[in-house]
Amino acid sequence: SQQGEEDPQALSIQEGENATMNCSYKTSINNLQWYRQNSGRGLVHLILIRSNEREKHSGRLRVTLDTSKKSSSLLITASRAADTASYFCATDARETSGSRLTFGEGTQLTVNP
Amino acid sequence: EAQVTQNPRYLITVTGKKLTVTCSQNMNHEYMSWYRQDPGLGLRQIYYSMNVEVTDKGDVPEGYKVSRKEKRNFPLILESPSPNQTSLYFCASSLSLPRYNEQFFGPGTRLTVL
Repeated sequence: SQQGEEDPQALSIQEGENATMNCSYKTSINNLQWYRQNSGRGLVHLILIRSNEREKHSGRLRVTLDTSKKSSSLLITASRAADTASYFCATDARETSGSRLTFGEGTQLTVNP
Repeated sequence: EAQVTQNPRYLITVTGKKLTVTCSQNMNHEYMSWYRQDPGLGLRQIYYSMNVEVTDKGDVPEGYKVSRKEKRNFPLILESPSPNQTSLYFCASSLSLPRYNEQFFGPGTRLTVL
């Protein structure tokens, strides 16, 4: 399986609720990034968290990283219909010298108005 | 406006007919990369380039070629396309190593090979 795997594969919530997506990976990493993709469009960078950080915030986004469990979570608070998109984690494995990111398969988030 | 552009956005072609998908960025980025996205497989890297004249294979390079003669351009070449190369392709760039830098993605090229 891939270096980064998101869970769940799909998530449907109501506007105003919080959405939590998880990412697990297999090998040691330096950094982990989260990206968002609106249907069929290019990915947009959301946040980067370094391996020595445990939590990072950006607006309504909160990312945590647990290197001992090789996992990360993305929390979107007070979700809006416009948050409907696919969300991907991307990991930078140490053996790649930082030259490559490996993307998971993504979580499809649907926020119902 | 800072952006990554790809052309064409949509392409339907036939098996064996050579094609090139262009990618250009206006941010003076050193690093550029090509990915393909397929249902159930996520994004997989095809080739990447650390700088002009420096390219290297990603996870799925077979059947593709790239070149980096200028900093801003990174074309993807399919010498003899086959139906299994039907996919959504994305070009991306970053200031330097993606380890430390966000990647900027182009809008995608949807390729169908008949």
